[in-house]
Amino acid sequence: DQQVKQNSPSLSVQEGRISILNCDYTNSMFDYFLWYKKYPAEGPTFLISISSIKDKNEDGRFTVFLNKSAKHLSLHIVPSQPGDSAVYFCAASDNFNKFYFGSGTKLNVKP
Amino acid sequence: NAGVTQTPKFQVLKTGQSMTLQCAQDMNHEYMSWYRQDPGMGLRLIHYSVGAGITDQGEVPNGYNVSRSTTEDFPLRLLSAAPSQTSVYFCASSRSGTQPQHFGDGTRLSIL
Repeated sequence: DQQVKQNSPSLSVQEGRISILNCDYTNSMFDYFLWYKKYPAEGPTFLISISSIKDKNEDGRFTVFLNKSAKHLSLHIVPSQPGDSAVYFCAASDNFNKFYFGSGTKLNVKP
Repeated sequence: NAGVTQTPKFQVLKTGQSMTLQCAQDMNHEYMSWYRQDPGMGLRLIHYSVGAGITDQGEVPNGYNVSRSTTEDFPLRLLSAAPSQTSVYFCASSRSGTQPQHFGDGTRLSIL
């Protein structure tokens, strides 16, 4: 059973608007979370991370929110740009050795 | 700076054949890992290594072997290929497990 779930396979937003990608996890021992972006025929690239001691982390247009009680994290992209169109994976770890990935959400930002 | 290099990019095998997927990094990273990506499943960890001479199993290790004789290289061996191992394989590395991983561009493997 998947310990990290991304229940929305796809998301479409207009350029300039906010994109919100969601991720749920089941293992309460996870304490390190990451988001990766993936373009076709390329490997994932790191976007942003957050540890369980924080509930928010920002990097430019990207913000990750962590709700430990709900075992939920989200990635906000503001404003969304066409170049953000990609598949986004969330990942989690409880020991910094094994990482568990969600199934990904394909974001399409329309010009 | 090449980063993480995976070879080959594509491979077709017959059931029962063996092969080695190569992974090399030039960033002097201690942590290396192998994932497979299947439709609807995301990336699943096969094996990982925290340094030369040290390897451990991930989420889906069956049918795969690894070794880490140098810091730079982390090959993945399929002992007897099965159709269920048809997948895209990604190798990744990082300075340590607390740092984000750098991924290669993947090897697309088809087993007939």
